[in-house]
Amino acid sequence: GIQVEQSPPDLILQEGANSTLRCNFSDSVNNLQWFHQNPWGQLINLFYIPSGTKQNGRLSATTVATERYSLLYISSSQTTDSGVYFCAVEPRNSGNTPLVFGKGTRLSVIA
Amino acid sequence: DSGVTQTPKHLITATGQRVTLRCSPRSGDLSVYWYQQSLDQGLQFLIQYYNGEERAKGNILERFSAQQFPDLHSELNLSSLELGDSALYFCATASGANTGELFFGEGSRLTVL
Repeated sequence: GIQVEQSPPDLILQEGANSTLRCNFSDSVNNLQWFHQNPWGQLINLFYIPSGTKQNGRLSATTVATERYSLLYISSSQTTDSGVYFCAVEPRNSGNTPLVFGKGTRLSVIA
Repeated sequence: DSGVTQTPKHLITATGQRVTLRCSPRSGDLSVYWYQQSLDQGLQFLIQYYNGEERAKGNILERFSAQQFPDLHSELNLSSLELGDSALYFCATASGANTGELFFGEGSRLTVL
């Protein structure tokens, strides 16, 4: 099946710093989503971005489907950005397979 | 708030017992997906229902079963529970039969003692 690899696995930032999280996938996809899992376990939708670039406040994402990767940018990080960021993809060629998740990037933002 | 409601939020039970987790989808969503998140396995797809019918099956154990009712809410039944079933169980919903954008509930945290 499709492989979804996220990097880095762990990231520690000083408040106010910027960061880039990467998601590589091994096959063509119909859809790609980014989620933030906060320290309480909630999975929050960040972006639904099968291709192109989107921005939402301090966060933006870019997916280059032809090269099989997506990037999540976090600018001016805040302590509330801490948690795990997941990339999830829907494989194009796997029938009814729904979202396949990467292992996530654990972000800690310190004041 | 995603609009997806899961109950209970926390559940503690003993090995060998049976529990039922409930999910109410967002208004208008016909698809319900169940995922399991454990420390060593990450987020794993269990099963999908669309408009009352099973549509896709993932790594769901035979001890687990699910259904989607006419009002579109779904239940995940876990039986003969083992210590290793302790996990966060998520329900996610979407409007169509194919994945599209998924919205997740807050999860049900199951602890098996």
